[in-house]
Amino acid sequence: DQQVKQNSPSLSVQEGRISILNCDYTNSMFDYFLWYKKYPAEGPTFLISISSIKDKNEDGRFTVFLNKSAKHLSLHIVPSQPGDSAVYFCAASPIGNEKLTFGTGTRLTIIP
Amino acid sequence: EAGVAQSPRYKIIEKRQSVAFWCNPISGHATLYWYQQILGQGPKLLIQFQNNGVVDDSQLPKDRFSAERLKGVDSTLKIQPAKLEDSAVYLCASSLSPSLRTEAFFGQGTRLTVV
Repeated sequence: DQQVKQNSPSLSVQEGRISILNCDYTNSMFDYFLWYKKYPAEGPTFLISISSIKDKNEDGRFTVFLNKSAKHLSLHIVPSQPGDSAVYFCAASPIGNEKLTFGTGTRLTIIP
Repeated sequence: EAGVAQSPRYKIIEKRQSVAFWCNPISGHATLYWYQQILGQGPKLLIQFQNNGVVDDSQLPKDRFSAERLKGVDSTLKIQPAKLEDSAVYLCASSLSPSLRTEAFFGQGTRLTVV
């Protein structure tokens, strides 16, 4: 049972445009959500997080939106840069626990 | 600040052999995780330690996998005997404290190939 789903395995975006990566979850106990970025042959690195008490969190070019009623979150990157090309994983953890459940990832390619 | 260190980076073994992976977390991080990432999938938690105690090992195949965290610092993950389906990247991660909801920091991983 895939509790965190990233339905788009890949996404290509022109440099300078907005990249939108989507993530859906099924477990209503999840209350903390994170995005990780992964380059080849490296471990995932933390990008941005959001608590369920918020619906938006910004950090520079990165914004995460959370729609609790739809159990959906999205990561917006604007403007997209070539260095953003990587695999992006959505992850979630439940109330009172740090155990992360990851999605399957979306490979983002920024076209110069 | 030094990151999470893992070794070896790569390992190729034959099925039914045994293998061990080592992880040194970030200094001061109480929580340590081992994840298994099969090609094309997201990381799956195998085991979570809080200091040297096990918090969650519900997804650890205990008939062949074992893990320990000595003195609440370094950790080793062992597979004995290995199967073909164990081919994956094994990621170690650490975080400061479960009560702070801080992000986990990952090592580079060990890529295991079982032939």
